[in-house]
Amino acid sequence: KNQVEQSPQSLIILEGKNCTLQCNYTVSPFSNLRWYKQDTGRGPVSLTIMTFSENTKSNGRYTATLDADTKQSSLHITASQLSDSASYICVVSPLSGGSYIPTFGRGTSLIVHP
Amino acid sequence: DSGVTQTPKHLITATGQRVTLRCSPRSGDLSVYWYQQSLDQGLQFLIQYYNGEERAKGNILERFSAQQFPDLHSELNLSSLELGDSALYFCASSVAPGNYGYTFGSGTRLTVV
Repeated sequence: KNQVEQSPQSLIILEGKNCTLQCNYTVSPFSNLRWYKQDTGRGPVSLTIMTFSENTKSNGRYTATLDADTKQSSLHITASQLSDSASYICVVSPLSGGSYIPTFGRGTSLIVHP
Repeated sequence: DSGVTQTPKHLITATGQRVTLRCSPRSGDLSVYWYQQSLDQGLQFLIQYYNGEERAKGNILERFSAQQFPDLHSELNLSSLELGDSALYFCASSVAPGNYGYTFGSGTRLTVV
């Protein structure tokens, strides 16, 4: 069964600090791995997309890394801002299966305090 | 604006009733996905359509049904509503299954009282 596990479940940091969120998956083979940011009550917004051959992808203060051998990904946020407070969701899509239905992690809830 | 339009944004209805949620995919996208997100839960895949045809089903209840029309918009029908159906319902679209240009709408918040 395809699974995506995220840690920590929740995280509180001070504004300006860095943090790293983790994602472990069992989807194999996989097509791509995405990180989304979801503000409370809003739809998820894509931050980064990586294929199996990519190791890192940046989007401003967000940097995602991927280790396909260990099936792990991380999302690093630098110089956090209050607006970074949100849920961050890791999503892994299979390479085959016809329907290509992605598997979603339950997300990490990040709270940035001033 | 993501380009994926969902209506209505909010819906309050009584138990036992039936509602229809609507989704217009981003221009050029042929595939539509429906997700349910209950309070403090992750996104749960319900169903996928591609160019009018059902492609995959997830944990969708028999009381729920969906379809994609020739103009590619999609509707999710929820019937015999229960309190536990209260949730955010998201639609997402992509050019095709497997294509990773996967965009979410802003969701419909359904409250069953």
